[in-house]
Amino acid sequence: EAQVTQNPRYLITVTGKKLTVTCSQNMNHEYMSWYRQDPGLGLRQIYYSMNVEVTDKGDVPEGYKVSRKEKRNFPLILESPSPNQTSLYFCASSLYSGATGELFFGEGSRLTVL
Amino acid sequence: QKEVEQDPGPLSVPEGAIVSLNCTYSNSAFQYFMWYRQYSRKGPELLMYTYSSGNKEDGRFTAQVDKSSKYISLFIRDSQPSDSATYLCAMSGNTGTASKLTFGTGTRLQVTL
Repeated sequence: EAQVTQNPRYLITVTGKKLTVTCSQNMNHEYMSWYRQDPGLGLRQIYYSMNVEVTDKGDVPEGYKVSRKEKRNFPLILESPSPNQTSLYFCASSLYSGATGELFFGEGSRLTVL
Repeated sequence: QKEVEQDPGPLSVPEGAIVSLNCTYSNSAFQYFMWYRQYSRKGPELLMYTYSSGNKEDGRFTAQVDKSSKYISLFIRDSQPSDSATYLCAMSGNTGTASKLTFGTGTRLQVTL
């Protein structure tokens, strides 16, 4: 089954404790991206990757890191989480960056930072 | 002011009703318009995609774009309880790239029996 898989789905952590949210897709997509979704603000892009070893900042990159060492994986790293990073996070992929907008989303990772 | 405005709802309608969901936008460079549907505790999924102005129909769903008014709509005919979800509009400029989508905040729809 074609899918984007995120882990963990739910996480509660404390300020400053480094964490990684993994994302993997099995569709051989070149393009991958991370979004956060907050009430009243909608989906905002954090980082995206056009292909392996190519990443770029989205609209809200502060406090986050990413890497794209393999085509299928695109982990999101919070080096020192803060409460304002409490949010619902989505990983998404697309066949290529020029695709006509069809993003395939994971099921989301709900993060709470205390 | 946000680039894309969308009424958050919730919008509650009885089963069988015609539903109209709307977004307005300010960026005249937007050329590609999409509607995503997001069920509770799930990721968004693409529902409809249109390019430039006009209508597009897919079963019970019709997407409409009026670029002169910077206004897009999604109509759902014969609404069903399974249509209960949050509907997100999304749009992008000339390149239509997945990397440059701007999303609305979503409208929550509840279809009641």
